[in-house]
Amino acid sequence: EAQVTQNPRYLITVTGKKLTVTCSQNMNHEYMSWYRQDPGLGLRQIYYSMNVEVTDKGDVPEGYKVSRKEKRNFPLILESPSPNQTSLYFCASSLPRDRGYNSPLHFGNGTRLTVT
Amino acid sequence: GNSVTQMEGPVTLSEEAFLTINCTYTATGYPSLFWYVQYPGEGLQLLLKATKADDKGSNKGFEATYRKETTSFHLEKGSVQVSDSAVYFCALSETGGGADGLTFGKGTHLIIQP
Repeated sequence: EAQVTQNPRYLITVTGKKLTVTCSQNMNHEYMSWYRQDPGLGLRQIYYSMNVEVTDKGDVPEGYKVSRKEKRNFPLILESPSPNQTSLYFCASSLPRDRGYNSPLHFGNGTRLTVT
Repeated sequence: GNSVTQMEGPVTLSEEAFLTINCTYTATGYPSLFWYVQYPGEGLQLLLKATKADDKGSNKGFEATYRKETTSFHLEKGSVQVSDSAVYFCALSETGGGADGLTFGKGTHLIIQP
């Protein structure tokens, strides 16, 4: 089954304790992206990657890191989490624009992060 | 820059009611337009899309028409069901429809009561 898998689904941590949220897709998609979803603010893009070893900042990259060493994986790293990073996070993947015109984003089921 | 504006929610309707969720956009070019739906506890999934003016996207009884003159892409359904309860996101893309160029609205929470 084609899917984007995020882990964990729920995570509670304390300020300053490094954490990683994993994301994996099995559709051989070049494009991957991380979003955060907050009430009243909708979806905001954190980082995205057009292909292996290529990453770019989205709208709200501060406090986050990503890496794209393999095509299928795109982990989100919070080196020193703070309470304002409490949010619902989504990973998504897609074909690149030149091979998937209007290719939809495929989303994971989300990771709810609480930083105390 | 690009932007998408949706009506604020929550929108509460009775089963079998007619649904309209308004969406207007601002873009410098000729974007493709999308509606995504997020069911409780899940990620977003594509509901329908339209790639040029006057196109109508449709899926699962939902429809939306790309209106360039009013820069709108309103979502409609003639008779909603409890299972339609979800958050609906309008989005646009100017990058040939590529996912890397998507701009989302803030989402409209729809609640359908039996």
